[in-house]
Amino acid sequence: GDSVTQMEGPVTLSEEAFLTINCTYTATGYPSLFWYVQYPGEGLQLLLKATKADDKGSNKGFEATYRKETTSFHLEKGSVQVSDSAVYFCALSDNAGGTSYGKLTFGQGTILTVHP
Amino acid sequence: NAGVTQTPKFQVLKTGQSMTLQCAQDMNHEYMSWYRQDPGMGLRLIHYSVGAGITDQGEVPNGYNVSRSTTEDFPLRLLSAAPSQTSVYFCASSYRTGSDEQYFGPGTRLTVT
Repeated sequence: GDSVTQMEGPVTLSEEAFLTINCTYTATGYPSLFWYVQYPGEGLQLLLKATKADDKGSNKGFEATYRKETTSFHLEKGSVQVSDSAVYFCALSDNAGGTSYGKLTFGQGTILTVHP
Repeated sequence: NAGVTQTPKFQVLKTGQSMTLQCAQDMNHEYMSWYRQDPGMGLRLIHYSVGAGITDQGEVPNGYNVSRSTTEDFPLRLLSAAPSQTSVYFCASSYRTGSDEQYFGPGTRLTVT
């Protein structure tokens, strides 16, 4: 079955540091890939997505590139801020046969804490 | 638009009690789903619906029932609560295709004692 593996956390950084959160996946079809973010006490919200190989998703300074050859979708940001402290989830939606209906398979989440 | 709303925000149940978690969306989305979030395990799909009158099981359906009588509402029922159902529950909705963004509600924190 489908699965998503995220780097083990938590991750603690100083403000303006470079961030990488690794994500690899296995899927039977041609998945769409997502990063969702969860701020304290809130639901998840979409951070960025990529729907085909070599696509780059970007938003709020975060980027991730869909790498089919390495089955990866690593999240990066060049300079993190205190306000980026949150839980980050990598997820996939397997579009095999066009009938996924948006069912998401999530990684375990990575807690990011950014100190001033 | 209110987006996806969930009630209640918090709930404490005793083992064996039943309850319904409410979920509603006002975006005319066809697809709705319920996830549970447990520490270190990400979110896992409980049940989902691709339209009114159509529901199906996800990864962890045991102990939960759903129905979808309208496009807007997708309640989750716990018939006989167990401590293993202590979790945070999220409802989500989206348009139909797998590449569409899912919109999440704020969650319900459920404790079963």
